Amino acid sequence: DAGVIQSPRHEVTEMGQEVTLRCKPISGHDYLFWYRQTMMQGLELLVYFNNKAVMDDSGMPKDRFSAKMPNASFSTLKIQPSEPRDSAVYFCASSFLRGRTYNEQFFGPGTRLTVL
Amino acid sequence: AQSVTQPDIHITVSEGASLELRCNYSYGATPYLFWYVQSPGQGLQLLLKYFSGDTLVQGIKGFEAEFKRSQSSFNLRKPSVHWSDAAEYFCAVGVGTGANNLFFGTGTRLTVIP
Repeated sequence: DAGVIQSPRHEVTEMGQEVTLRCKPISGHDYLFWYRQTMMQGLELLVYFNNKAVMDDSGMPKDRFSAKMPNASFSTLKIQPSEPRDSAVYFCASSFLRGRTYNEQFFGPGTRLTVL
Repeated sequence: AQSVTQPDIHITVSEGASLELRCNYSYGATPYLFWYVQSPGQGLQLLLKYFSGDTLVQGIKGFEAEFKRSQSSFNLRKPSVHWSDAAEYFCAVGVGTGANNLFFGTGTRLTVIP
C-alpha cells in the first residue's frame, strides 16, 4: 500500500512568492496533520483535520499560512507571501482513530522548502 | 504545559553495544508517550508507544522503552545496536483526544561506528 504522499519533495522559491505544498493521505485515514521541522524549533504541529474539518490550527501562523482539505484524499498547505524564516521541512501525516485509544500517525517523506 | 526533553543531542555507539536514549516529559495527566525514528531524508516511523499497562513496552526493530512515572521518564533501549540503527530519534508526548496533538523533543542523533 502507498504511504502518505507529499509533493513536491523539494521546493526553492524567492521571498514573497506563493508556495503550495500538497499531501495525499493513506486511503481510509480520516485524520491529517501538517508539521514543520526546523533546527531551531524542532517538530511543531501546525494544523490537523478530522474528516476534512480543521480541528486545531493554533500552531499555524494565520497571517501567511492557510491549510485546506477539499476532499478526503488531498490537502494543501499554502504560504503567501513566503519568507526566509519559512525555510523548513514540512511533513504531512495521516491516521485513523475509529474506536481506538490513540491515533498512530503515519508520516510522509516531507517537503524541504527553501525560501531565498 | 506539556514538554519533552531529550538531553542528549548526539550519541555515538559501537556496533553491537547497548544503547539508551533519554527522554523526560512534563504533563499533568497520564501521558501518551511515543518514540519515533527518522532516517535521513525520510519521514518519521513509530518505534513504540505507551499509554497504560505494563511499563516496559516492546517496539519494532528490537527496541524497548520503560515508563517511569516517578522520574517522568520514558527512556529508549536496545541491547545490541546495528549499523542500520543510525538515525535521529524523537520522543513525543501526545495530548488531547486520541493523543492527536504530539509534542516532540528536539531529537537525539545516533551514530553507529563499526
